[in-house]
Amino acid sequence: DTGVSQDPRHKITKRGQNVTFRCDPISEHNRLYWYRQTLGQGPEFLTYFQNEAQLEKSRLLSDRFSAERPKGSFSTLEIQRTEQGDSAMYLCASSFSTGQGVYGYTFGSGTRLTVV
Amino acid sequence: TQLLEQSPQFLSIQEGENLTVYCNSSSVFSSLQWYRQEPGEGPVLLVTVVTGGEVKKLKRLTFQFGDARKDSSLHITAAQPGDTGLYLCAGARVQGAQKLVFGQGTRLTINP
Repeated sequence: DTGVSQDPRHKITKRGQNVTFRCDPISEHNRLYWYRQTLGQGPEFLTYFQNEAQLEKSRLLSDRFSAERPKGSFSTLEIQRTEQGDSAMYLCASSFSTGQGVYGYTFGSGTRLTVV
Repeated sequence: TQLLEQSPQFLSIQEGENLTVYCNSSSVFSSLQWYRQEPGEGPVLLVTVVTGGEVKKLKRLTFQFGDARKDSSLHITAAQPGDTGLYLCAGARVQGAQKLVFGQGTRLTINP
């Protein structure tokens, strides 16, 4: 297992276009998370899945954002009608959790989105 | 307002010096983690602390969780250029919580 993979690494798009990012977690991990990180800040929680169920969404995740994890494997994050404020690094992470809490994520390398 | 405040936000020191980075909150956390992030990459987990007063060592890095589980520190001894990076603390608010709250990070530069 090579860790958490994210694709693409970089995406430049015009304002108003739709974009989709993909995340392939570590296969043994049952939880998958999406975070967003802007320059000079720490990551901010967007949403997480346990297997295929989306269990929590942040208020940061507007109606233009949607995430899926079909079959509990890879996940996609789609942003519709992109805005310049969506420019950020989108990070995916996975973990194995027994329900007692989260003790460490494995992050992917992220997708850097630039909206022009 | 940041739930986890890290200080300093920027630190530039010479190779061989010692340093301490702080992560403070007014809230109690069930566990706290430290990550290091390099430019263009995702954060990499360094350590998790779960017990108040816990101290963990990772080579030249020493991590401490406050007795009240509201704060943590990272101490680096004899810093090396390879220690350069963004250091992030992150906490789980309650036991069983699945999402982490991150501090804004401390950008550390070790000059040769």
